[in-house]
Order: sequence, then C-alpha cells, then structure tokens
Amino acid sequence: DAKTTQPPSMDCAEGRAANLPCNHSTISGNEYVYWYRQIHSQGPQYIIHGLKNNETNEMASLIITEDRKSSTLILPHATLRDTAVYYCIVRVASGANSKLTFGKGITLSVRP
Amino acid sequence: NAGVMQNPRHLVRRRGQEARLRCSPMKGHSHVYWYRQLPEEGLKFMVYLQKENIIDESGMPKERFSAEFPKEGPSILRIQQVVRGDSAAYFCASSPLPHTPAGANVLTFGAGSRLTVL
Repeated sequence: DAKTTQPPSMDCAEGRAANLPCNHSTISGNEYVYWYRQIHSQGPQYIIHGLKNNETNEMASLIITEDRKSSTLILPHATLRDTAVYYCIVRVASGANSKLTFGKGITLSVRP
Repeated sequence: NAGVMQNPRHLVRRRGQEARLRCSPMKGHSHVYWYRQLPEEGLKFMVYLQKENIIDESGMPKERFSAEFPKEGPSILRIQQVVRGDSAAYFCASSPLPHTPAGANVLTFGAGSRLTVL
C-alpha cells in the first residue's frame, strides 16, 4: 500500500468546517483513498472513500486532487463528537493485498 | 442488520492461560480481518481470512497466536500461553464478497475485545 502523510494534530471550533489534509504522492492507479476514524476506545469507523472524483456522503466530503497525490477530508460542521483520530489510507479495493494499513493518523480536537 | 459482533468485550487472563476471541462478521460478509491495538499505540494488522482460508497472516506473531474462520461459526483468534505484553484491544473487521463494485470493499469494524493479562 502507498504511504500516506498526515499532520499529527489539528483543532477546529465546533460548528466550523474541519479540513483534514493527506498526502499520498506514490499512489498507484488502482488504489483508492479511504478515510476512517477512531473515537477513543471504539472500533474504527468508515467515513468515505474515492478513486478520482470528489465524493460526498452524509458524514463528509472527500476532495482528491487531479493528480491524485493528495486529498482533503471535509467535515462541514464539526461537533464535539467528531473529536477522534482520523486515518487516511490508500489501498487496492480487493484481493490478497486489500488489508487496511493504519498509520498514526491525525488527531482532530473539536473545541466548544 | 447487526454489525460485526465481537465477544467477549473484556477478558482477563493470568499469564500462561489461553485467550479465545470470537468475531461474527456482518451478514453476507465472507472476509475477516484481525487487528491489535496496544495501549497508546496504533492499529496493527494481524491476519486476513476468508471462509476456511488464511489469505494474509503477515502480521501474526510467529508463536502462540493462531486464527481460523471455519465454514460455520465465528472467526476465532486464539492466543496460547498469554503474557503481559498481549494485553491489548483486538479488533475484528469484515468485508463483503470480492466481486462487489470496485472500491466498495469497505471494512466494518467491531467494538473490540479488550484482553488484560495479569
């Protein structure tokens, strides 16, 4: 799996948008970008994934640059419950190499 | 549709005992992954299984650890002769059949099993 680089931490104010960056300059053409998060002591939670196009779901938006070397996860209106470690992961969609490899992630702290 | 079910949620063992952790994947999911998270550390991949097959065990310690996913029943992660360093949270995840739409092979995680070795 391609390596990803994320800042160690960031914070944002409750109600504001949280923009979490991720660099994946060595991503391969068949690798997707996935975002998961882990709220303290809980199991990781899937947020969103994408290949080339920007994606949006009920939780977040994913913006992938045209060269696919970086992406941004956007939480449009952060709440205190969004405080968590967010992981950006690139991986192939299926097959023997489809495991998720978690890095250190970025710790998002949402302040009141 | 129940999620990934792990049990027990908490398990206490003395050094030298055996620990068995169970994982029932989501309905319709035939792939299971096990991860370990040591206190204050990140998630480390251990093993990836399909029904009756181990696909990738590159993250499994060479000794004392084993995993299975039988044709019937839950996946089992077994730790023999536990030591204090095995104290951790063990997370299981499942994913659907491989021929889902490309990219949709999302892993769904359970709440974890927390092993404490005294």
